[in-house]
Amino acid sequence: DTGVSQNPRHKITKRGQNVTFRCDPISEHNRLYWYRQTLGQGPEFLTYFQNEAQLEKSRLLSDRFSAERPKGSFSTLEIQRTEQGDSAMYLCASSLNRGQGFRETQYFGPGTRLLVL
Amino acid sequence: AQSVTQPDIHITVSEGASLELRCNYSYGATPYLFWYVQSPGQGLQLLLKYFSGDTLVQGIKGFEAEFKRSQSSFNLRKPSVHWSDAAEYFCAVGPRSNDYKLSFGAGTTVTVRA
Repeated sequence: DTGVSQNPRHKITKRGQNVTFRCDPISEHNRLYWYRQTLGQGPEFLTYFQNEAQLEKSRLLSDRFSAERPKGSFSTLEIQRTEQGDSAMYLCASSLNRGQGFRETQYFGPGTRLLVL
Repeated sequence: AQSVTQPDIHITVSEGASLELRCNYSYGATPYLFWYVQSPGQGLQLLLKYFSGDTLVQGIKGFEAEFKRSQSSFNLRKPSVHWSDAAEYFCAVGPRSNDYKLSFGAGTTVTVRA
């Protein structure tokens, strides 16, 4: 049973550049989440998918951010025109919701650490 | 809105000593509660979770947590700490209604001294 994987693990970019991160969830998990974690803080929710549908977006997700989950498998998170304030750890999590209400457990990947210079 | 408070930013404990990390939540109904651990530069690993039933929950690595509704708390404990337990620990609450996200506390950093 492979866990959630994320690539790249580290990304250094210059302000104004675009970056894209990939998340591969645990196979058969139908939900996928993106969180952002800044230094000394807990993760903050960005967005989530049920299969290929993006069902919720946080107000933290400005119009420079876009996420996709084509075919309900892997997901990508793109940041356009990066700013120094985008520097953070971007975490992906997946879960399996079998329709048992809200009793689901999110399993996290190792994260992608972004540094914007 | 749901929220989580972890009152202790940093705890230092001697190896072999007991550890207790505090977590208080604000929630309008019966919460689903989680503890995750994060080693430096790594993602979050699930330690344990509470959905319902027995209020004392056992997790991995010898950790346990107790749900106390009257105190709105879900404190994490370990009887004897190992040097490898040095990490950051996050308490989280959620989901509810049509809101599936987890809400995390700010975390507690645990340092283990020899």
